[in-house]
Amino acid sequence: SQQGEEDPQALSIQEGENATMNCSYKTSINNLQWYRQNSGRGLVHLILIRSNEREKHSGRLRVTLDTSKKSSSLLITASRAADTASYFCATVPFSGGYNKLIFGAGTRLAVHP
Amino acid sequence: KAGVTQTPRYLIKTRGQQVTLSCSPISGHRSVSWYQQTPGQGLQFLFEYFSETQRNKGNFPGRFSGRQFSNSRSEMNVSTLELGDSALYLCASSLAPEATYNEQFFGPGTRLTVL
Repeated sequence: SQQGEEDPQALSIQEGENATMNCSYKTSINNLQWYRQNSGRGLVHLILIRSNEREKHSGRLRVTLDTSKKSSSLLITASRAADTASYFCATVPFSGGYNKLIFGAGTRLAVHP
Repeated sequence: KAGVTQTPRYLIKTRGQQVTLSCSPISGHRSVSWYQQTPGQGLQFLFEYFSETQRNKGNFPGRFSGRQFSNSRSEMNVSTLELGDSALYLCASSLAPEATYNEQFFGPGTRLTVL
């Protein structure tokens, strides 16, 4: 079963706009990761944030983590058509084993030229 | 470095048959995990292998099994296939399960269709 929820389920924006996706989870975590998937292909790791971190940046990506609310957000700034993909958050439960990723349902992002 | 490879990429089977999927991790990676992705259930963890031992297991019936060889390559097997087993099966490799930082590298997946 999935750990959490992501919202929105789908997001449609214009190139150059920012895209924000949210993820909520249920149990205590070791870390939270974001992945991208293009058209039913393999997943690409984007960024990892540890449970004792609040914010992390990587290029045009900004991730925040609020462990008190059990939620995270992924911000993609100045989006491009190539960012069109599904985005998944995945948690590593505190007691579940470090390689056992629990995925959210994902957000489908469409960026229009 | 070559990425994670999975074979075959596409597979069509009929109900009741069994299937074996293969995964070759990135060179030097010793941990291999398997995930099932379906439209209804999303991405679900199947199991993880490290040093030829299953270290974690998801909530799947015993029809789903796996193994890992001494060269870290892994196979998963599904016996007595059901229509609901139609899915994209993803394999991921990482250096080792003990590290708290664990970027997992995913393969392109095997698309299994059960008729």
